[in-house]
Amino acid sequence: NAGVTQTPKFRILKIGQSMTLQCAQDMNHNYMYWYRQDPGMGLKLIYYSVGAGITDKGEVPNGYNVSRSTTEDFPLRLELAAPSQTSVYFCASSPASGGASEQFFGPGTRLTVL
Amino acid sequence: AQSVTQLGSHVSVSEGALVLLRCNYSSSVPPYLFWYVQYPNQGLQLLLKYTSAATLVKGINGFEAEFKKSETSFHLTKPSAHMSDAAEYFCAVRGETGANNLFFGTGTRLTVIP
Repeated sequence: NAGVTQTPKFRILKIGQSMTLQCAQDMNHNYMYWYRQDPGMGLKLIYYSVGAGITDKGEVPNGYNVSRSTTEDFPLRLELAAPSQTSVYFCASSPASGGASEQFFGPGTRLTVL
Repeated sequence: AQSVTQLGSHVSVSEGALVLLRCNYSSSVPPYLFWYVQYPNQGLQLLLKYTSAATLVKGINGFEAEFKKSETSFHLTKPSAHMSDAAEYFCAVRGETGANNLFFGTGTRLTVIP
């Protein structure tokens, strides 16, 4: 199993540009998450999904959109990029087996908005 | 609401010395608690988790953590530090909603001095 994969690894955007961060998992997990990690701030939840076709906002959803058309894929869309969106983005997945279940993380995408 | 506080953003220990990383949590229900490790330019990897089965939890790479309800703490320890332990460590508590997301502390960067 590849686990959770993310592309691209690095990206530089200009202010106002848009892009999609890709995330895929091959573990048949129902739950998927997008977090952002800012220096000294820990990880914050952007959006999550409990299954194909079902998504919801997390703590910091402004400026982002998601979709979940399949169990495997959970792309994150940035519209009108702003410098405040400079961060490292992590995708994670988890089986729907209750609160003790582990979250598996991808390697991250480092995004810089200039 | 859930939250996690990690005391000490940077901890330095000598190789072979005791490692102690502190974590205090806030939760209105019995918590699920996690420690994750992040090596440079990588995603997060689970070290161990507390699920109420036992208060002393053993994880990978010789780490363990003790859940103390009276102190609302879940400190991470390792008897003897190794150079390969140098990384950033995150404590997290499971959310109380159906999202099952994690609330992370701000992280502790561990440096091991040879």
